[in-house]
Amino acid sequence: NAGVTQTPKFQVLKTGQSMTLQCAQDMNHEYMSWYRQDPGMGLRLIHYSVGAGITDQGEVPNGYNVSRSTTEDFPLRLLSAAPSQTSVYFCASSYSTAGNEQFFGPGTRLTVL
Amino acid sequence: GENVEQHPSTLSVQEGDSAVIKCTYSDSASNYFPWYKQELGKGPQLIIDIRSNVGEKKDQRIAVTLNKTAKHFSLHITETQPEDSAVYFCAASLWRGDMRFGAGTRLTVKP
Repeated sequence: NAGVTQTPKFQVLKTGQSMTLQCAQDMNHEYMSWYRQDPGMGLRLIHYSVGAGITDQGEVPNGYNVSRSTTEDFPLRLLSAAPSQTSVYFCASSYSTAGNEQFFGPGTRLTVL
Repeated sequence: GENVEQHPSTLSVQEGDSAVIKCTYSDSASNYFPWYKQELGKGPQLIIDIRSNVGEKKDQRIAVTLNKTAKHFSLHITETQPEDSAVYFCAASLWRGDMRFGAGTRLTVKP
């Protein structure tokens, strides 16, 4: 099993550009989530999904969109990148809900100029 | 929503000493409390977790205690080793799927 994979590992964007961060898991997990990690602020939940076709907002959803068309994939879209979105983004998955061990991907380091 | 506070933000101990990290949470409905370890350049990895129906859980050198009345939980690492050096995060989760993390503790174990 590859576990949770994320692409790209690094990305530099200009303000106003859009892009999609990819996340995939091969563990047949129902629950998937996106976090951003900023210095001194821990991990903050952006969006999560409890199954294909179902998504919900987390703590900091503004400026981000998600969709869950398959169990395996959970892409995160930045519609119009802003410098405040410079961060490290982690995707995670777990068996059923957040109340179980979450497996994290290796992260995507995003810089918005 | 749930709010998790974690202390201290940095912790330095000598090899062989114990380390304790404390977290408090705000929502009494939270029922799952994991601890994650993050090494440099990697994603967080679960090291131990506890559910609200249990007061203490131990796994070799690592233990977690939960006080539901006071709404706080703690991570205890005994006989620390240099490879324990990392950033540790606590978290609290409600059943509906919204997990909140503490700000993290950078633990340094000096040989």
